[in-house]
Amino acid sequence: SQKIEQNSEALNIQEGKTATLTCNYTNYSPAYLQWYRQDPGRGPVFLLLIRENEKEKRKERLKVTFDTTLKQSLFHITASQPADSATYLCALPSGSARQLTFGSGTQLTVLP
Amino acid sequence: GAVVSQHPSWVICKSGTSVKIECRSLDFQATTMFWYRQFPKQSLMLMATSNEGSKATYEQGVEKDKFLINHASLTLSTLTVTSAHPEDSSFYICSASMRSTSTDTQYFGPGTRLTVL
Repeated sequence: SQKIEQNSEALNIQEGKTATLTCNYTNYSPAYLQWYRQDPGRGPVFLLLIRENEKEKRKERLKVTFDTTLKQSLFHITASQPADSATYLCALPSGSARQLTFGSGTQLTVLP
Repeated sequence: GAVVSQHPSWVICKSGTSVKIECRSLDFQATTMFWYRQFPKQSLMLMATSNEGSKATYEQGVEKDKFLINHASLTLSTLTVTSAHPEDSSFYICSASMRSTSTDTQYFGPGTRLTVL
């Protein structure tokens, strides 16, 4: 069955450092992968989408890579700030009606 | 753009009552709307997918008679939790995908916290 794993439940880093979050998947051949941010008690917010033919995508301080051979995506936040503290979710398309399956998320805390 | 609202943001009800949650896409037409449930420290679990004017498709293990979904227009979907019980207490989140896009980016509402006493 399809499975998505985000490597750590929680990640603490010092302000200014680069945070790296991992999303691994099995039994998928996704055409793309998405990353979302979720703050406590709120709905997720879309951040980035990367397609299978793209190795890397950037948006301001965010960078996403997608390795379809390793079946892995890495999500980087450079020059991290306390305001980046949140749970980050990766999501893959599933089903025929535009459904998404979400990973369990990584809770990032950026320490001042 | 791509704003989705949910109402109410939180609700407390007695066991056995029904609760309706509204999900609206404010500035776009949604091809499809989705309903998720999220328990503390867990990820989003898809409950059902609904398209305007047609019956919702429920995920395995989700009782369609308990979680009634109505998708009356391209901007409004409702979820009614019927005969709610304490185990239905959860965070319910809707999302919508845009009619004009070719990808599955979903725009999420702020969620509704349901507490059943």
